[in-house]
Amino acid sequence: QKEVEQNSGPLSVPEGAIASLNCTYSDRGSQSFFWYRQYSGKSPELIMSIYSNGDKEDGRFTAQLNKASQYVSLLIRDSQPSDSATYLCAVRRYGQNFVFGPGTRLSVLP
Amino acid sequence: SAVISQKPSRDICQRGTSLTIQCQVDSQVTMMFWYRQQPGQSLTLIATANQGSEATYESGFVIDKFPISRPNLTFSTLTVSNMSPEDSSIYLCSVEKPGQRDGYTFGSGTRLTVV
Repeated sequence: QKEVEQNSGPLSVPEGAIASLNCTYSDRGSQSFFWYRQYSGKSPELIMSIYSNGDKEDGRFTAQLNKASQYVSLLIRDSQPSDSATYLCAVRRYGQNFVFGPGTRLSVLP
Repeated sequence: SAVISQKPSRDICQRGTSLTIQCQVDSQVTMMFWYRQQPGQSLTLIATANQGSEATYESGFVIDKFPISRPNLTFSTLTVSNMSPEDSSIYLCSVEKPGQRDGYTFGSGTRLTVV
């Protein structure tokens, strides 16, 4: 069983719409949760981190965490073509290494 | 966050040869990590490099194939030895600065093609 799961996509949304990216994880001891954006041919870039249940907003990005459901999501409001990338979910238990999901490819259509 | 310089950015190598990838950080970090990202795949941790001790390898990766050096707190190298086409991948170093909770910073990556 994979430890971190994401839909591989591609997820296609029109420009200006809300993109919703989902991630589930199997380790109930996970304490830190991250979203990375990776443009084609580039290295991953951290865009959001969340540690407590609920929502965390940063500009057009909102991360949502539900530890009881072992679920973390990323919402991108007013999606732009420049948001087209692969989004990697990563989880971590304290003192251990990150576990990355397979990534969801997002395509924002102009 | 830390700034990481990784080189080479890409290389095309003959099978059976070795390539050493360098990673330089602009500040001292305790742990450096080496990842592999095969085409269309997510990140797989190869090993954790700690200064002053042997690297810790993940399951499926061995020191003879991926020797790592960590001579100081700002520098590490990963060597891909006796390469085969299956080693064609992107290799990334990353760091986590002590006291910072906010995830890893990644180098720009090395795109390796073995022919």
